[in-house]
Amino acid sequence: QVQLVQSGAEVKKPGASVKVSCKASGYAFTSSFIHWVRQAPGQGLEWMGIIDPSGGSTSYAQRFQARVTMTRATSTSTVYMELSSLRSEDTAVYYCCRDRDLEGVAATFDMWGQGTMVTVSS
Amino acid sequence: DIQMTQSPSSLSASVGDRVTITCQASEDISNYLNWYQQKAGKAPKLLIYDASNLETGVPSRFSGSGSGTDFTLSISSLQPEDIATYYCQQSVNVPLFGPGTKVDIK
Repeated sequence: QVQLVQSGAEVKKPGASVKVSCKASGYAFTSSFIHWVRQAPGQGLEWMGIIDPSGGSTSYAQRFQARVTMTRATSTSTVYMELSSLRSEDTAVYYCCRDRDLEGVAATFDMWGQGTMVTVSS
Repeated sequence: DIQMTQSPSSLSASVGDRVTITCQASEDISNYLNWYQQKAGKAPKLLIYDASNLETGVPSRFSGSGSGTDFTLSISSLQPEDIATYYCQQSVNVPLFGPGTKVDIK
């Protein structure tokens, strides 16, 4: 079964960091780029960045450039998204999603993780 | 930067009605436009990619059209399970989603 399974909900204090994992199964992990998208409560979808599971190269949305780090572990078919200097506005559901293109980046998301709720509160 | 708008922001229709949602880009994005369905409490699901291609497994009552700056998602016969928020997304450069259209049953 092809799927992305994310880690569980997190509660963090302002200024802290959070690291969310996304484990892929059922397909060749290094064949498709993985994106991260977040959704604040009651709000729309916001793209955060992309990682190539094969070589580890990344590209981040400008507004997250200074605070986000995406990494991967090929031995466990897992990608990670770490967001630092958390503030209340970072309270959101964070999704990993797979790029549809097997030969590059189509920025079309054909499979999504179940989402990880991150709450930032003092 | 490319901006995406959707209309309407919400709609209410009867089962069996034809429903149309529009998405507009602030500049020409060719056919680099995707549509997603998000049900309450769930992750989004890809419905249409590259403006008019139906994703595998998606019911044929869903269709997409358009190119350039104006795009449309249609549901030919609304079903109760189609209650959701629908998002367009441009994929020509930095991915950007529209604000969403909430669809419910009258």
